[in-house]
Amino acid sequence: NAGVTQTPKFQVLKTGQSMTLQCAQDMNHEYMSWYRQDPGMGLRLIHYSVGAGITDQGEVPNGYNVSRSTTEDFPLRLLSAAPSQTSVYFCASSPGRILGNEQFFGPGTRLTVL
Amino acid sequence: AQTVTQSQPEMSVQEAETVTLSCTYDTSESDYYLFWYKQPPSRQMILVIRQEAYKQQNATENRFSVNFQKAAKSFSLKISDSQLGDAAMYFCAMEAAGNKLTFGGGTRVLVKP
Repeated sequence: NAGVTQTPKFQVLKTGQSMTLQCAQDMNHEYMSWYRQDPGMGLRLIHYSVGAGITDQGEVPNGYNVSRSTTEDFPLRLLSAAPSQTSVYFCASSPGRILGNEQFFGPGTRLTVL
Repeated sequence: AQTVTQSQPEMSVQEAETVTLSCTYDTSESDYYLFWYKQPPSRQMILVIRQEAYKQQNATENRFSVNFQKAAKSFSLKISDSQLGDAAMYFCAMEAAGNKLTFGGGTRVLVKP
């Protein structure tokens, strides 16, 4: 198993550009989520999905879109990048909705918006 | 809403010694889980230990143990016999509903040889 994979590892954008951060998992996990990590603030939940076709907002959803057409993939879209979106982005997955399930994290994408 | 607070931005420990990281949290939920995650320089998030709120017994995983004080809403992590490989950022996190984790701001652990 590759686990949770994310591409790209690094990305530099200009303000106003759009891009998609890719996330895939091969563990047949129902639950997937996106977090952003900023210095001194830990990780904050952006969007999450409890299964294919179902998504919902987390703590900091503004400026980001998601969709979940398959169990395996959960891309995060930035429609018009802003410098405030400079951060490290982590995708995570877990087996299901049971409280306390371990979440498996991808290696992260470092995004810089100029 | 859930909040998790880590009051120690950085802790330093001598190799083979013990260090304790503090974490306090707040939630109105009666059932929840608490976690400690390790993030080494590679950026990979690694689960260290987890504790269910209903269990009174403190969780242990090899050299890692927790002190869970439910009434005080405190969840500290003790690293015993510290090793150079323990140097990392450590995040306290809570899950109260729907697999959504709330993280603290992190504590950097430095291990001196």
